[in-house]
Amino acid sequence: GAGVSQTPSNKVTEKGKYVELRCDPISGHTALYWYRQSLGQGPEFLIYFQGTGAADDSGLPNDRFFAVRPEGSVSTLKIQRTERGDSAVYLCASSPDRGEYNEQFFGPGTRLTVL
Amino acid sequence: AQSVTQLDSQVPVFEEAPVELRCNYSSSVSVYLFWYVQYPNQGLQLLLKYLSGSTLVESINGFEAEFNKSQTSFHLRKPSVHISDTAEYFCAVILKAAGNKLTFGGGTRVLVKP
Repeated sequence: GAGVSQTPSNKVTEKGKYVELRCDPISGHTALYWYRQSLGQGPEFLIYFQGTGAADDSGLPNDRFFAVRPEGSVSTLKIQRTERGDSAVYLCASSPDRGEYNEQFFGPGTRLTVL
Repeated sequence: AQSVTQLDSQVPVFEEAPVELRCNYSSSVSVYLFWYVQYPNQGLQLLLKYLSGSTLVESINGFEAEFNKSQTSFHLRKPSVHISDTAEYFCAVILKAAGNKLTFGGGTRVLVKP
């Protein structure tokens, strides 16, 4: 079946611009996660959705970052007034919600470059 | 807060030689432990996991990892590597009963040489 997809695969923008990154989770997965992977580092948690609501947004670095999941499926990560330090690969993952642990399946990521 | 440390950022190894990737974690509560692999130009894939039970876990492609609670370690080993094992490997934890978010280490890049 189809895995997690992310669009665009690459995004180049200028400092100060607004960007939106999209994640399509695996059909039927109720949980959705965003992570950010800066060059040479491991992924860092940003936000986690259970259905339509953000269950944990403790990883969002500041109020320029916002994410939505209005219908409990597709999610959009929004970054306002982008800065060069926002350059990274943004990863999305989804999982079912059947118990204490649920395996997360990752998408290929969106590489964001802020010039 | 929990943290994950991978002591080696890069590990060059010859084909058919053994490899060990070290991972230590710190947490005040019980954790689930994972190794993820990222092959060149591909997404993150789960390699193996420890949830409970036997402390030695294995993957389908010959990797194994052992959970050592006293040393808070979860080192990854393979007795004989292939060229196709060239990838970046990430150790990660999830705090039990605290949601499903992963905390990753910095990664270890394995380069297998012929």
